[in-house]
Amino acid sequence: QSVLTQPPSASGTPGQRVTISCSGSSSNVGTKYVYWYQQLPGRAPQLLIYDNDQRRPGVPDRFSGAKSGTSASLAISGLRSEDEADYYCAARDDILSGVIFGGGTKLTVL
Amino acid sequence: QVQLVQSGAEVKKPGASVKVSCKTSGYIFSNYYMHWVRQAPGQGLEWMGVINPDGAGTTYSQKFQGRVTMTRDTSTSTFYLELRSLKSDDEAVYFCARATRDTYGYNPDLAYWGQGTLVTVSS
Repeated sequence: QSVLTQPPSASGTPGQRVTISCSGSSSNVGTKYVYWYQQLPGRAPQLLIYDNDQRRPGVPDRFSGAKSGTSASLAISGLRSEDEADYYCAARDDILSGVIFGGGTKLTVL
Repeated sequence: QVQLVQSGAEVKKPGASVKVSCKTSGYIFSNYYMHWVRQAPGQGLEWMGVINPDGAGTTYSQKFQGRVTMTRDTSTSTFYLELRSLKSDDEAVYFCARATRDTYGYNPDLAYWGQGTLVTVSS
């Protein structure tokens, strides 16, 4: 059971906007930076968002990150078929003295 | 360009140890922390720990304390992950992942990943 809680699945049709949530606590999301990863099947994860809301170079501006209190979110606008992947949030945790990942959200483009 | 090349797949018996390597190139080895993350079949990402290449200080996940060792060889720019007393639920793909920036490498800010090493645990 992950300390960071993500919905196991999300879906949308091409062109839609989808939001994936990541719920934590004051020992992690509430006080630490949040990072978002995309993982395509059979591939290593790819960093999309760092420091809560900063896009990595080369990541389309359709992807955006936000944080409020102990929750963070990843929004994908103008959904495309190639966005179909697993998405993970991550943060440091003071109590665990290490890094934690959310359980992951499988995004399906209908 | 930054490259992380991991060693090949391993098959181990329960109770054995495995050592996975991650050979780096394309950047100043001692400037960037290296994390290890694993992923069991069909499961999510699990952080195992991090090593500071400049002095080799380590921080391990509490889950793996006592069973894992992360080391580095500066002469070959290679990192190593050793996991002992393997169990069936250690069967996973193991990734090395480099910190994006050379400042405060403890964050899960990991822009560069190895290709992964599959470790199979079977009697």
